Amino acid sequence: NAGVTQTPKFQVLKTGQSMTLQCAQDMNHNSMYWYRQDPGMGLRLIYYSASEGTTDKGEVPNGYNVSRLNKREFSLRLESAAPSQTSVYFCASTPGQRNSPLHFGNGTRLTVT
Amino acid sequence: EDQVTQSPEALRLQEGESSSLNCSYTVSGLRGLFWYRQDPGKGPEFLFTLYSAGEEKEKERLKATLTKKESFLHITAPKPEDSATYLCAVQAWNSGGSNYKLTFGKGTLLTVNP
Repeated sequence: NAGVTQTPKFQVLKTGQSMTLQCAQDMNHNSMYWYRQDPGMGLRLIYYSASEGTTDKGEVPNGYNVSRLNKREFSLRLESAAPSQTSVYFCASTPGQRNSPLHFGNGTRLTVT
Repeated sequence: EDQVTQSPEALRLQEGESSSLNCSYTVSGLRGLFWYRQDPGKGPEFLFTLYSAGEEKEKERLKATLTKKESFLHITAPKPEDSATYLCAVQAWNSGGSNYKLTFGKGTLLTVNP
């Protein structure tokens, strides 16, 4: 009963490097989301995918790209990492029905030096 | 713009000492208010959804209530295992069809000492 799985758990990048954060869910959910969590800021939505084949910008999309690879997988890419992208990144999913709660993964802690 | 303010930022209780956490919100038409629990190093875990003023939900030592401007998470006779950060989030009616966006508060860090 894995739920939402995120890899890697920890990552350190140098400024300008690129990387992809992976997310997979095994609950047959339609919608998937990427959030970042920073001290004193709360969770902020980066991108979301309402259904397979669609993606939309959230509150803080600059510097990120996403790919909804299939119904299970939703990846987040940092093309040229910046120190301001140091954060904890959470992937979440939901069936997509009205008021269905988000199910979160356990996060990727990213440090950009 | 939707806003969620949680208070206090941190709360320290003795085991058995009941208290409440507050979530004040401003939203253009509340579609739902959500409470989550987050343990250190983990993702948020869903607790409750409240839809309309006057509604209450309970789970073990937790009870969530909702008015038109705020929600309370009441913790009765807390135990050390209730220690966590509690997050409140709102969904507005204008957030769009089946793909919705939540606005989160910054959370309340609850510590329950034995």
